[in-house]
Amino acid sequence: GAVVSQHPSRVICKSGTSVKIECRSLDFQATTMFWYRQFPKQSLMLMATSNEGSKATYEQGVEKDKFLINHASLTLSTLTVTSAHPEDSSFYICSARDKMQSSGANVLTFGAGSRLTVL
Amino acid sequence: AQSVAQPEDQVNVAEGNPLTVKCTYSVSGNPYLFWYVQYPNRGLQFLLKYITGDNLVKGSYGFEAEFNKSQTSFHLKKPSALVSDSALYFCAVRDMNYGQNFVFGPGTRLSVLP
Repeated sequence: GAVVSQHPSRVICKSGTSVKIECRSLDFQATTMFWYRQFPKQSLMLMATSNEGSKATYEQGVEKDKFLINHASLTLSTLTVTSAHPEDSSFYICSARDKMQSSGANVLTFGAGSRLTVL
Repeated sequence: AQSVAQPEDQVNVAEGNPLTVKCTYSVSGNPYLFWYVQYPNRGLQFLLKYITGDNLVKGSYGFEAEFNKSQTSFHLKKPSALVSDSALYFCAVRDMNYGQNFVFGPGTRLSVLP
């Protein structure tokens, strides 16, 4: 089945540094990838929708200059948290949709998530 | 606008007993409904989906869900719970009238007690 690899699974960084999280579709091409943020004991909050070869679409309230998203190929999207601060500490999850699936009811495949801790 | 409600934050059941995790939704058009499960520090795993056809949908690990259009519900069920079913469960809806985004419910934590 479809697999999405997300790396790193855990990262600890100092305040003010930038952190990059990668999301790869391993056995399928993904024209669209989604980035979510999950706070403890809460649901997933969609941050942005990433389309291959075009700019990401950010949800209201998400700072695009803070959370840089690049979807340079059909199998890779990256999220860079720039100038990270402790309040950016969270669990970030990506998901991808298979390009070959029909657009109707295709299932999202999720990465395992990345836990970011900013000291 | 589309929304998903999971009225119970926590569900506790004894191993071997049937379990139900509730979900209700609101969409303007026809809903595509999904259940995902999340284990600690992991991403979400797909369990099952309803698109059209039979209201009772069978999915992974013995789970099933029943679509009820009049009650706008999509409750997740399993006849006999296992301790290993303990996890966080998310219901999600996709309304084709609102593009490709999924809307997730707040999640329900299931604890199966031995």
